[in-house]
Amino acid sequence: GQQVMQIPQYQHVQEGEDFTTYCNSSTTLSNIQWYKQRPGGHPVFLIQLVKSGEVKKQKRLTFQFGEAKKNSSLHITATQTTDVGTYFCAGRDNFNKFYFGSGTKLNVKP
Amino acid sequence: DGGITQSPKYLFRKEGQNVTLSCEQNLNHDAMYWYRQDPGQGLRLIYYSQIVNDFQKGDIAEGYSVSREKKESFPLTVTSAQKNPTAFYLCASSQQGLGGEQYFGPGTRLTVT
Repeated sequence: GQQVMQIPQYQHVQEGEDFTTYCNSSTTLSNIQWYKQRPGGHPVFLIQLVKSGEVKKQKRLTFQFGEAKKNSSLHITATQTTDVGTYFCAGRDNFNKFYFGSGTKLNVKP
Repeated sequence: DGGITQSPKYLFRKEGQNVTLSCEQNLNHDAMYWYRQDPGQGLRLIYYSQIVNDFQKGDIAEGYSVSREKKESFPLTVTSAQKNPTAFYLCASSQQGLGGEQYFGPGTRLTVT
């Protein structure tokens, strides 16, 4: 069935290094969302992408939606310890099904 | 102060007992959702409701039941038929239907022994 896969599962970086997580769907998505969950917390909405090839930026975070609307990425420039958490993508397919990716857990060493 | 509340934060039950988790929102959102999160895992959709008195099964509805009698409330019952009920349960709501920006409650951590 439809799945939204996310890689890597874990990423450990030194503070100041960049970080990227990738999200891949087996079918075309009508939209993709990104959420951040701090340790012990609940997911918090970051952004939604809708258009093919769309790129959005939020300060040090850059979000991309692929041309085929099957993949997406989140890139963090110069990570800080406040970036620690698990980043999830979530997408709705054309059959009105909504899926969360398995998440990428980011650890930032000071 | 608008948002989603879930209670309790921690819940302990004996095997064989049904348990109901509370979820209330004052955001005036039409759609509400229940997810289950297991350690190191993503979120899996249990049930969702796009309007009062209507709800749909998600990917893992077996062993769970819900009701949506009021717009603000979407309680989840974990029945004794659920094989592995111990998990972190998250409730969410959105203004749009399925796929809209979701606002999550703080979650209930259920432990069944």
